[in-house]
Formats: sequence, C-alpha cells, structure tokens
Amino acid sequence: EVYLVESGGGLVQPGGSLRLSCVASGFTLSSYDMNWVRQAPGKGLEWVSYINTLSSSSYYADSVKGRFAISRDNAKNSLYLQMNSLRAEDTAVYYCARDAVEPLIREVYMDVWGKGTTVTVSS
Amino acid sequence: ETVMTQSPATLSVSPGERATLSCRASQSVTSKLAWYQQKPGQALRLLIYAASTRATGIPARFSGSGSGTEFTLTISTLQSEDFAVYYCQQYNNWPPAFGRGTTVEI
Repeated sequence: EVYLVESGGGLVQPGGSLRLSCVASGFTLSSYDMNWVRQAPGKGLEWVSYINTLSSSSYYADSVKGRFAISRDNAKNSLYLQMNSLRAEDTAVYYCARDAVEPLIREVYMDVWGKGTTVTVSS
Repeated sequence: ETVMTQSPATLSVSPGERATLSCRASQSVTSKLAWYQQKPGQALRLLIYAASTRATGIPARFSGSGSGTEFTLTISTLQSEDFAVYYCQQYNNWPPAFGRGTTVEI
C-alpha cells in the first residue's frame, strides 16, 4: 500500500524555524514530483510548494516565497520543507502530497496525501 | 491567479439522495480540474481528475462534469461514508488553486 507520513511539526515562536519531513512508502519517491499543501485551522487548502523529480525546479506560493525551501532526498525516499521566519499566519496542518501528473511537467494535482503534521506559530 | 469558488458552502442531504456540488473558476481552466474528499483523521482522497475521470477505486456514484469555468461534482446516491468536505482544484494555470470547500452534511 502507498503511504506518505509527515513529521517535524510543533510549536514555534514567531520568527523561528522548523523543518518538516515526509517519508514515502509503497512507491519510489524519485519517480514523482512532490508538493506541500497546508490547511489553516477551520480553513481550506492552500498549495505551498512543488519540486520536480530531479530537484531542478521548485516553486512556491507567494505567501511563503523567500522563507520556505523544499528539498528531497530520493535515496531516503524523503521530502522536506525548511520553514524560516515563521509567522502566525503559517499556523496550519502541512500535508505532503504526490503529484499525479507525469514527472517534470508543471501541472499539479495530487493522488496520494499524508495525514499531515501540525505547525503552530505562537509566542 | 485563478480563483476557485465553490457553492454551496454547506449542503444538507439525506442518505440515498443526490448531491450536486458546484465549482467556478475566475478564468478558463480547460478540463484541468480535480475534486478531493476530506474526512476527519483521514488522508485526503482524490476523487476526480481531468474534470470527469474517476480516480482509481472511486465508486461510480461519483461523477464530474464541466469545462472552462463551470464544473459540477455529483454524488448520485449518498452513502453514510460520503458525508465529508469536498474541494475542487484547478491545475491548468499557475499556481494551482483550491476552492474553499463544500461540506456535505446529514
């Protein structure tokens, strides 16, 4: 069975940093472009970041550009999100999600999702 | 940026009834529209992609239609497990964008 499991969430002060991880099982991460999507409390879904299979292209939502960095380690079947200069509005559940579109094509819809990890930014 | 608008925000239906959910895009997304189901404590589930293609393992009671700017998700005969929040998402224009969701409640 195919799984994504996120970790690394927690409580952090405004201006702080956090690194999220996502481990894939049941499939080879290196064959898929990957994404992070977040959901603020009581709100809808917001796409955050995308990275292609080769790590040669990555993209970010305007709300996180310059503060967040997506990366991957295909050998470890893992995806990461480094989050710096965190703000209260970054408080959300962060989901790792597999891109269903064929690799290296910048179109994103997602066919496998993790259950998320919660990030709370508060003093 | 493409804005996705879903209606209604909440849909109250009874088991066995038909549910029709709408999604409108602020500009054409051709047929590049996906629908997802979200239930508490569970991973999000892809239901429909390319506006009308059911994802693997999705029951035939779920159907999608539309193109351009107007889309519909229909659940023909609601089962108890279908009460959830449903999101549409466009992937024709960058960045990908979700609607705010429709809650289907009993």
